Amino acid sequence: EIVLTQSPGTLSLSPGERATLSCRASQSVSSSYLAWYQQKPGQAPRLLIYGASSRATGIPDRFSGSGSGTDFTLTISRLEPEDFAVYYCQQYGSSSSTFGPGTKVDIK
Amino acid sequence: QVQLVQSGAEVKKPGASVKVSCKASGYTFTSYDINWVRQATGQGLEWMGWMNPNSGNTGYAQKFQGRVTMTRNTSISTAYMELSSLRSEDTAVYYCARVDSSGCWGQGTLVTVSS
Repeated sequence: EIVLTQSPGTLSLSPGERATLSCRASQSVSSSYLAWYQQKPGQAPRLLIYGASSRATGIPDRFSGSGSGTDFTLTISRLEPEDFAVYYCQQYGSSSSTFGPGTKVDIK
Repeated sequence: QVQLVQSGAEVKKPGASVKVSCKASGYTFTSYDINWVRQATGQGLEWMGWMNPNSGNTGYAQKFQGRVTMTRNTSISTAYMELSSLRSEDTAVYYCARVDSSGCWGQGTLVTVSS
């Protein structure tokens, strides 16, 4: 099973600041199968990025994904008030899938 | 629009089974895998397994092997997830989801296991 580690666990930032979230895999992940989700309390996760770097429909361009192999990054260029939430990475290759433990982005 | 609509909340006793349904609309049901994910209160997302609605082929996370069964009824575009031998630790919101560029998830079904 591929284990995903996310860092930091919590990121305290102010609106307008840049957020950089990391997702590291225990073994190589095909870039085609790495996704990022945003989740707010009481809501289902919302797909932000798939294929490591492709934005899902309707996702603002302040969200971007990058990386390959075992290291992936989600960047939010300028935090808006609605961006404070928990973010999860997911790998979904080879008939199996796992999620990272999440990074909480909260208001400083 | 692409949509997954799940069945309502369930309360079960320890040792019982629960079966959650997930009805697809807005796309060809047999063309995309359905995944099941759960989330206990205040915890992260936990992947349970996947099913190919066309072939019926499944793949389960090792943690749930022997306790979970994923099936479908293609005539009504509905996927099912059944979890048996329930224990209190299975109390969670259960989601069906398409893990592809659609990003489509069901609304979640709360399953409470309590004596």
